[in-house]
Amino acid sequence: KAGVTQTPRYLIKTRGQQVTLSCSPISGHRSVSWYQQTPGQGLQFLFEYFSETQRNKGNFPGRFSGRQFSNSRSEMNVSTLELGDSALYLCASSTTANTEAFFGQGTRLTVV
Amino acid sequence: EDQVTQSPEALRLQEGESSSLNCSYTVSGLRGLFWYRQDPGKGPEFLFTLYSAGEEKEKERLKATLTKKESFLHITAPKPEDSATYLCAVQAQIQGAQKLVFGQGTRLTINP
Repeated sequence: KAGVTQTPRYLIKTRGQQVTLSCSPISGHRSVSWYQQTPGQGLQFLFEYFSETQRNKGNFPGRFSGRQFSNSRSEMNVSTLELGDSALYLCASSTTANTEAFFGQGTRLTVV
Repeated sequence: EDQVTQSPEALRLQEGESSSLNCSYTVSGLRGLFWYRQDPGKGPEFLFTLYSAGEEKEKERLKATLTKKESFLHITAPKPEDSATYLCAVQAQIQGAQKLVFGQGTRLTINP
């Protein structure tokens, strides 16, 4: 069974640009969550999607947005990038919100 | 505010030297507590889920326990390959939505 796949693995962007990250969940998993991980703040919840609907959102500015498609694949978009957005972005999938979440390898975003 | 605190921040042990990692939490509406292992540059790897006080789970040299306010991850006779950051997360029901809150992790180093 394939795990959670995130693409790309690495990205370098310039301040002010926008970026889209992709996540393919484990087959059969309908819940997809996104997290930002930095050395100083640890793992912070961005948002969760279930059946194409955003069910939950963390405390991040509106520059961070996401969506989920009918095949459960999800994308995360960050607009007007700032240096502080440099982080490891992790996607996790689960069957429902109450079950264990399995993480992808992450996308390492560097903003210069 | 919901909080998860892990201690110690870092722990260095000799191979074979058993110890415990702590995860204390203050959260209303606890739905589950999860332990993950994370290697540098990779996504967290799921280890255990605990749902109620008194519950215990084991996997190889690891054993997780849960009380009403904290969880312990016991490591028995560790090996160098157990070196990693161990993350604790709680799933809570907050304002009608599910949310996963992570601790900052314990960085474990096992010296041969």
